[in-house]
Parts: sequence; C-alpha cells; structure tokens
Amino acid sequence: AQSVAQPEDQVNVAEGNPLTVKCTYSVSGNPYLFWYVQYPNRGLQFLLKYITGDNLVKGSYGFEAEFNKSQTSFHLKKPSALVSDSALYFCALYNTDKLIFGTGTRLQVFP
Amino acid sequence: NAGVTQTPKFRILKIGQSMTLQCAQDMNHNYMYWYRQDPGMGLKLIYYSVGAGITDKGEVPNGYNVSRSTTEDFPLRLELAAPSQTSVYFCASSFLAGGNEQFFGPGTRLTVL
Repeated sequence: AQSVAQPEDQVNVAEGNPLTVKCTYSVSGNPYLFWYVQYPNRGLQFLLKYITGDNLVKGSYGFEAEFNKSQTSFHLKKPSALVSDSALYFCALYNTDKLIFGTGTRLQVFP
Repeated sequence: NAGVTQTPKFRILKIGQSMTLQCAQDMNHNYMYWYRQDPGMGLKLIYYSVGAGITDKGEVPNGYNVSRSTTEDFPLRLELAAPSQTSVYFCASSFLAGGNEQFFGPGTRLTVL
C-alpha cells in the first residue's frame, strides 16, 4: 500500500540553526512528493515538490528538500531557521488523482 | 484571483441538523477536494471530483454528500450531523492531478453539539 510517514510529532530548533523535518514514503513506482505548511487557523500552503530530476528541490521561503530513493525519504530542510517558520508541516504523496498526507510535524523555532 | 473560497468560516450545529459547506474556485481547476482535519491529525480525504459531473469517495465519505454541477463550485453536504463530524473542513483544487500542487481554502470550523 502507498503511504507516507512523518516520524516526529514535533521538532524544536533555535533560530539561526539548520532544521530538518523528516518524511519517508512507501510506493510502487516513481513517487510524486510534496511538502505543505499550515500556519495557525489557515489552510495549507504549497512549499515544494519532487516529480523527477535533481534530488535537491528548492521551494518557497528558503526551504529545500532532499529526495533519497534508496532510503525512501524526502526530508525538508532549511539552512537557518526563523521564528516565523514555526508552523505545522505536512509531507504528501500523490496516488491516483489524490494526495496522501502524513500526520504532520509541528516545527517550533525558539528565539 | 480570489483562489479557493469557503463559507462559512465557523458554524455550530445541533445533532441531527443538516448543512452545506460551500467551496468555490476561480482558477478554472478541474480537480477539487474536500478534507477534514481533526485535532492532532493529518488531513483525511472525504470526497473529490475530477471535473463537473464527476465525483468519487475518499477515505472517510460516510455522513457526507457532494455534487459538482459546475467547474467552479463543489459543495459538501452534511446530513444528520453527529459529534464525530466536529472538525475543520478544507476544500482544495488543482488544475490536474499528478505533479500539480493543490490550492487550499481557509477552512470551515464546524462544531456539532
């Protein structure tokens, strides 16, 4: 069965430090993978996606993600975290006309 | 472009009441989706549509109905509301499926008492 997992409910990081939010997937065939961010009381916003090509994908707000086929992972990264990055982050996998979402990881960036 | 709009923003229902959550998009997107988000949980797909006149069930369709008579609108109907339907409901749209990102509305917070 196709699935996506986010193993951490919460990630805490100090402002200015690098951050990583983890995502692993299970799929038959080549995956289409997405990251979304949700700020309080808002809908989800698209950050970036991997379809094919370069394993390092750059997205909005300075975020990037690294696709690793051998480890079936698609971790979200940012070199220097900002307090304003504090939000809920969702990884998603495309599957026949729809997206399968992970359970989300809450990122807390401390000043 | 307004993007994806949802009404109402908030609603409190009594058990057994019915209501329709409205969703509209002005991006000429073919695909539209309804999700629910429970506290501490991810998004669960309720129904989706790949074009006007075509709808299909998602992961959690029981207790809901949809219709898609136009490209722009995709209302979600709750019949006989139950406390288990207390949730935040999001509508989303995309031009196509596959590698195209979904655009989300601001959500409707529904409480059933």
